Amino acid sequence: DVKVTQSSRYLVKRTGEKVFLECVQDMDHENMFWYRQDPGLGLRLIYFSYDVKMKEKGDIPEGYSVSREKKERFSLILESASTNQTSMYLCASSVAGTSGRAPDLEQFFGPGTRLTVL
Amino acid sequence: GQQLNQSPQSMFIQEGEDVSMNCTSSSIFNTWLWYKQDPGEGPVLLIALYKAGELTSNGRLTAQFGITRKDSFLNISASIPSDVGIYFCAGLTFGNEKLTFGTGTRLTIIP
Repeated sequence: DVKVTQSSRYLVKRTGEKVFLECVQDMDHENMFWYRQDPGLGLRLIYFSYDVKMKEKGDIPEGYSVSREKKERFSLILESASTNQTSMYLCASSVAGTSGRAPDLEQFFGPGTRLTVL
Repeated sequence: GQQLNQSPQSMFIQEGEDVSMNCTSSSIFNTWLWYKQDPGEGPVLLIALYKAGELTSNGRLTAQFGITRKDSFLNISASIPSDVGIYFCAGLTFGNEKLTFGTGTRLTIIP
């Protein structure tokens, strides 16, 4: 059974703290993604990675960085947490390739981390 | 970045009713996907559409790829309690491995 796990379901941090959100997938997928989910805004892409040590900015990368040292692990880092980063964070993974077939397109999501910054 | 507009934003229905929701974009997509997010979980893929005009079913769910390639529709027939959740559309263009997600439709079933 495919699985994407995230290190915490709930996290409470203070403004200015450095925050690490960890994501691990066991499907040997090349691509990994970090999204944030806010009511009325849907899922917005923060960063993604298509290979180890490779990363690309998504639509809202400001205030975030990422690390991918191993294929199965993709970390999201908030260098100095702010209250406007209070949100649900979702990690996803998918196989590489753009053949257009559903198995290549499907992104598998983790359960999410609800982060509150006070 | 671009976002897809979904409507309605939320729906309150009674068990057994049919549900319709749609997703529109200002630009063309080559593939449309529909995801469902159960409370407390990540989204899961329901249906994928690859061709303009295509109509695809998955059980009580039916989705259509709009002719203009700028929209897609999802229908749920005879809703049941486990249909509760948030439904997201997502679009993909060839050569791009990033999905663009819609704003979501929250479905609630009134007892």
